[in-house]
Amino acid sequence: AQSVTQPDIHITVSEGASLELRCNYSYGATPYLFWYVQSPGQGLQLLLKYFSGDTLVQGIKGFEAEFKRSQSSFNLRKPSVHWSDAAEYFCALNTGNQFYFGTGTSLTVIP
Amino acid sequence: DGGITQSPKYLFRKEGQNVTLSCEQNLNHDAMYWYRQDPGQGLRLIYYSQIVNDFQKGDIAEGYSVSREKKESFPLTVTSAQKNPTAFYLCASSSELGMNTEAFFGQGTRLTVV
Repeated sequence: AQSVTQPDIHITVSEGASLELRCNYSYGATPYLFWYVQSPGQGLQLLLKYFSGDTLVQGIKGFEAEFKRSQSSFNLRKPSVHWSDAAEYFCALNTGNQFYFGTGTSLTVIP
Repeated sequence: DGGITQSPKYLFRKEGQNVTLSCEQNLNHDAMYWYRQDPGQGLRLIYYSQIVNDFQKGDIAEGYSVSREKKESFPLTVTSAQKNPTAFYLCASSSELGMNTEAFFGQGTRLTVV
């Protein structure tokens, strides 16, 4: 069965530090993967997506993600975190007729 | 500007009452979705629709109903049969059902049962 797992419920980083949010998926076919960000009380905004091709994808706000088929992972990274990056982050898998979302990782940024 | 509009942003309902959440999109998207979000549980699919006059149950459809009479509109009714309706509800759309499409989200409706 298809699923998305985000192992880290909550992460705290210092402003200016690097960030990596983990995402693992389970799917028997070629995955189409996404990272979304959600500010409190708001909808989800797309950060980046992976459909095919280069395994390192660039997104908005300086985020990037690397697809690793051998590890069934799609981890999100940012070299230097800004206070405005504090939010909830969701990894998602599209199987063709449904999007499957992870349970999210809450990011706190400390000055 | 194109996008998805959900209304109202906040909604209060008395126990035993039905309530309808509105979702309108002007992106000319064929597929629309309703998700429920609870703390620590991510997004769970309630219903989705591929085309007008057609919709399918998602993982947690019990106690909910939808209609798709127009391409741009996909209202969700939370019925009195839904045992725990207090949650944040998100509507989304995509250009079509298919793996290489992304979902666009509205700003959500927070429903509270009082």
